[in-house]
Amino acid sequence: DTGVSQDPRHKITKRGQNVTFRCDPISEHNRLYWYRQTLGQGPEFLTYFQNEAQLEKSRLLSDRFSAERPKGSFSTLEIQRTEQGDSAMYLCASSLDGGGGNYGYTFGSGTRLTVV
Amino acid sequence: KNQVEQSPQSLIILEGKNCTLQCNYTVSPFSNLRWYKQDTGRGPVSLTIMTFSENTKSNGRYTATLDADTKQSSLHITASQLSDSASYICVVSGGTGFQKLVFGTGTRLLVSP
Repeated sequence: DTGVSQDPRHKITKRGQNVTFRCDPISEHNRLYWYRQTLGQGPEFLTYFQNEAQLEKSRLLSDRFSAERPKGSFSTLEIQRTEQGDSAMYLCASSLDGGGGNYGYTFGSGTRLTVV
Repeated sequence: KNQVEQSPQSLIILEGKNCTLQCNYTVSPFSNLRWYKQDTGRGPVSLTIMTFSENTKSNGRYTATLDADTKQSSLHITASQLSDSASYICVVSGGTGFQKLVFGTGTRLLVSP
């Protein structure tokens, strides 16, 4: 297992287009999280899944955003009708249960989205 | 409001020198505190994680301290190397219900030769 993988690493899209990102968590981890990070800021929580169930969504996750984890393994984050304000790094993380103790959270390298 | 504040915002030190980064938090109830290193354009990588009962934890040249009474933590880097240049993010887990992570905005460290 090579950790949390995110694809693509970079995405440039025109305003109004739809984009989809993929995250493959560590296989033993049952929780998967999506965060958004803008330049000079810490990551902001978007949503998380426990297995295939989406248990919490931030108010940052507008109706243009949708996340799925259909089989409790990989997850996708789709942004419809992208806006320039969506430009950010989208980070995925996974953990075993609450991520405490020695397990912690493991982050992927992120997908850098640029909306032009 | 659950918040994590870090200082300084940025720091430049000479290679080989030591430095200490600060983190103050107001997250309640508290579960644990983590320090992450984030290289430019990469995801955060965990350095240390401490629970309420732990006062200090080391990971190589990185030593984190936690004072749960004053809700302060520090990250001390010894004998800095050029590869230590990165953002260092303090993250507190806690709150009620889902223990989401509350991130600080980070300290950007530049180690100069």
